[in-house]
Amino acid sequence: GAVVSQHPSRVICKSGTSVKIECRSLDFQATTMFWYRQFPKQSLMLMATSNEGSKATYEQGVEKDKFLINHASLTLSTLTVTSAHPEDSSFYICSVRDIYYEQYFGPGTRLTVT
Amino acid sequence: SQQGEEDPQALSIQEGENATMNCSYKTSINNLQWYRQNSGRGLVHLILIRSNEREKHSGRLRVTLDTSKKSSSLLITASRAADTASYFCATDGGDMRFGAGTRLTVKP
Repeated sequence: GAVVSQHPSRVICKSGTSVKIECRSLDFQATTMFWYRQFPKQSLMLMATSNEGSKATYEQGVEKDKFLINHASLTLSTLTVTSAHPEDSSFYICSVRDIYYEQYFGPGTRLTVT
Repeated sequence: SQQGEEDPQALSIQEGENATMNCSYKTSINNLQWYRQNSGRGLVHLILIRSNEREKHSGRLRVTLDTSKKSSSLLITASRAADTASYFCATDGGDMRFGAGTRLTVKP
């Protein structure tokens, strides 16, 4: 079946630094990719939607200059958390949609900002 | 933003009992999906029900969908301790949005 990978699975960074998270679809082309954030004991919140080659569409309240999304190819999207703060510590999950409109989720990246 | 709400927020039952979780949503949808998540782990897709379907079964899972009431339910029959997890409904109306989730605890 379709596989979505995320790298890294866990990352710890210092406050003020930037962190890049990769999301790859391994055996199919993703027409659309989604990024979600999940705080402890809460649900997944959609952060942004991106289509290959175009700018991401951010949800209300998500700072596009802080969470940079690059959907460089049909198999790769990256989320960069810039100038990270402890409150950015969260579980970040990507999701990809294929040409048949099926959606698949990555295993998530746990970010801890110290 | 989240699509809707789930109830109950938490549910604790004995092994062997049935567990029912409900999900309500606000906008029109193409389909509704249910996911399970163990603590600190990724999502596991359980079942998808399309907007023109009313009921769907998969093993011990039964999902219903009432588009007129914008609601869905997930029934897990003969629950097991391994079913302990958080369960989320997600509505797909162009993008996928999640409900608040139900934390299910099945006691052995």
